[in-house]
Amino acid sequence: EVQLVESGGGLVQPGGSLRLSCAASGFTFSRYWMTWVRQAPGKGLEWVANIKQDGSEKYYVDSVKGRFTISRDNAKNSMYLQMNSLRAEDTAVYYCASAVYAMVRGVIVNWFDPWGQGTLVTVSS
Amino acid sequence: DIQMTQSPSSLPASVGDRVTISCRASQTISGYLNWYQQKPGKAPHLLIYAASSLQSGVPSRFSGSGSGTDFTLTISSLQPEDFATYYCQQSYITPLTFGGGTKVDIK
Repeated sequence: EVQLVESGGGLVQPGGSLRLSCAASGFTFSRYWMTWVRQAPGKGLEWVANIKQDGSEKYYVDSVKGRFTISRDNAKNSMYLQMNSLRAEDTAVYYCASAVYAMVRGVIVNWFDPWGQGTLVTVSS
Repeated sequence: DIQMTQSPSSLPASVGDRVTISCRASQTISGYLNWYQQKPGKAPHLLIYAASSLQSGVPSRFSGSGSGTDFTLTISSLQPEDFATYYCQQSYITPLTFGGGTKVDIK
């Protein structure tokens, strides 16, 4: 069974740090781009970051650049999100997902599937 | 950044209704458009990728269409398990962006 399980969420004070983990199983983790997506309470989805199969390319949404770092360990089938200088607006459920790339009608397209169940990060004093 | 605008934001409907949700991109994204379903307290779930390709295991009452800047998700006959929030997402260029969501609820 293909599965992604996030961990590491919790309550942290503004300015603090937290490291999220995403453990993958049931598929060849090293063959896939991976991504983090977050959802603030009662709000929509926001893409946060993604990372290439070998970790050589990483991309971030502007609001987390310089504060968050995405990484992966293919030997451990795991991805991470190091979050520093946390702000109240970072409060959200953080989901990890696999980013699938495939040729469709002659074009390489991509989508997020599957997703983990999410881990809640609360930034508050 | 590419802005994704969904309409309507809320859609009251009844079982058996044909439901249509629109998604518009602020610039052309060709066919790089995905649709997800999310139920309360659950992770999003892929329905449609590349604008019109049905994900394996998703019921055929779901369909997607469109290209360029205008896209549509259609549910041909709404079922009780389809009451949920639906999001479009462009995968054309980073930052990858989602629409604001359309909540389909009971009329």
